[in-house]
Amino acid sequence: KAGVTQTPRYLIKTRGQQVTLSCSPISGHRSVSWYQQTPGQGLQFLFEYFSETQRNKGNFPGRFSGRQFSNSRSEMNVSTLELGDSALYLCASSTTRDTYNEQFFGPGTRLTVL
Amino acid sequence: SQQGEEDPQALSIQEGENATMNCSYKTSINNLQWYRQNSGRGLVHLILIRSNEREKHSGRLRVTLDTSKKSSSLLITASRAADTASYFCATEDDMRFGAGTRLTVKP
Repeated sequence: KAGVTQTPRYLIKTRGQQVTLSCSPISGHRSVSWYQQTPGQGLQFLFEYFSETQRNKGNFPGRFSGRQFSNSRSEMNVSTLELGDSALYLCASSTTRDTYNEQFFGPGTRLTVL
Repeated sequence: SQQGEEDPQALSIQEGENATMNCSYKTSINNLQWYRQNSGRGLVHLILIRSNEREKHSGRLRVTLDTSKKSSSLLITASRAADTASYFCATEDDMRFGAGTRLTVKP
């Protein structure tokens, strides 16, 4: 079974631009979560989608948004990029979002904002 | 705010030694999970321990959970250079991760 895939793997943008990242979960997984990882803040939860609905949201500004499609693939969008948005963005999928399921992580998209 | 908080932040040991990392959390949990992350890559799930379990083993990994102290520990026995990675704990509450423990195993 193929793992979680994220595209693109690397991205360079400039301040003020917007970016869309994509995540394809493991086949059969309906929950997709997004995380931002930076050296200073560590790994922070952005949001989680299940069956095209956002079920949980972390403490990020509205510039960060996401969606999930009927095939469970998910996209994350960041508008009006800031230098501080430079980070590794990780996507994780799981079968459901109940309390006993592990998450499977993709390799991440490394975003650099210049 | 982060739920899981690991310590130490960094740990350096020789191959063959044991490595112990600790995790503290704030609220009641149903389970706690440990993950490993190799440099700049995605996280890999290591082990999940439920709130009604006190200890769990998986290969060279041993995890303990003390719900009264809201803490967990991960022990890696007979460490190898390939164990060099960052280790994170996370609770199921929105999967809030700590900052991780950076483990370096010297050959």
